[in-house]
Amino acid sequence: EPEVTQTPSHQVTQMGQEVILRCVPISNHLYFYWYRQILGQKVEFLVSFYNNEISEKSEIFDDQFSVERPDGSNFTLKIRSTKLEDSAMYFCASSSIQGITDTQYFGPGTRLTVL
Amino acid sequence: GEDVEQSLFLSVREGDSSVINCTYTDSSSTYLYWYKQEPGAGLQLLTYIFSNMDMKQDQRLTVLLNKKDKHLSLRIADTQTGDSAIYFCAERVSYKLSFGAGTTVTVRA
Repeated sequence: EPEVTQTPSHQVTQMGQEVILRCVPISNHLYFYWYRQILGQKVEFLVSFYNNEISEKSEIFDDQFSVERPDGSNFTLKIRSTKLEDSAMYFCASSSIQGITDTQYFGPGTRLTVL
Repeated sequence: GEDVEQSLFLSVREGDSSVINCTYTDSSSTYLYWYKQEPGAGLQLLTYIFSNMDMKQDQRLTVLLNKKDKHLSLRIADTQTGDSAIYFCAERVSYKLSFGAGTTVTVRA
């Protein structure tokens, strides 16, 4: 069964450093998402992406964040200058269509630890 | 805005039924979902229900939706040890999913 994959599974970085989290969505999917879950808190929406553009973003997704689909298979989340409060589990998701009937399938997550 | 609430913990005996409850606030929700998260794993879609339905059954899973009260429940029949996990309720509004905090289900022998 096709699945969303994410690398790395765990990333440790120093405050102020840039990190890039990588995702390979399901191959025929067209819509891509990032969510995050700070330890002990809810899973929060960050951004949705379609046709090489951001379609919606939350207020969390500020100028420090960016997303990119650099080729036909990868979808990345970049955090330019990490802060301690960026420590969280980051989930990528994808869906085949974006209407009322689509379903988002999630990857296993990348645990980001900012020291 | 969207706000999804769930009880945090549920302990159930193996073989009994589990019922996990969820309330949501946004009346424009189109679909409501249940995801399962096992330790160290991602969010696995369990089932979903369209907002104009009131019940959906899928093998051991039964979803009940009371749209008037904005209340969603997930019943797991004949709960097994492999059902121990965190269960997330989520509502879909526009492009995004809004999640509850998750209910940790512990199955005891």
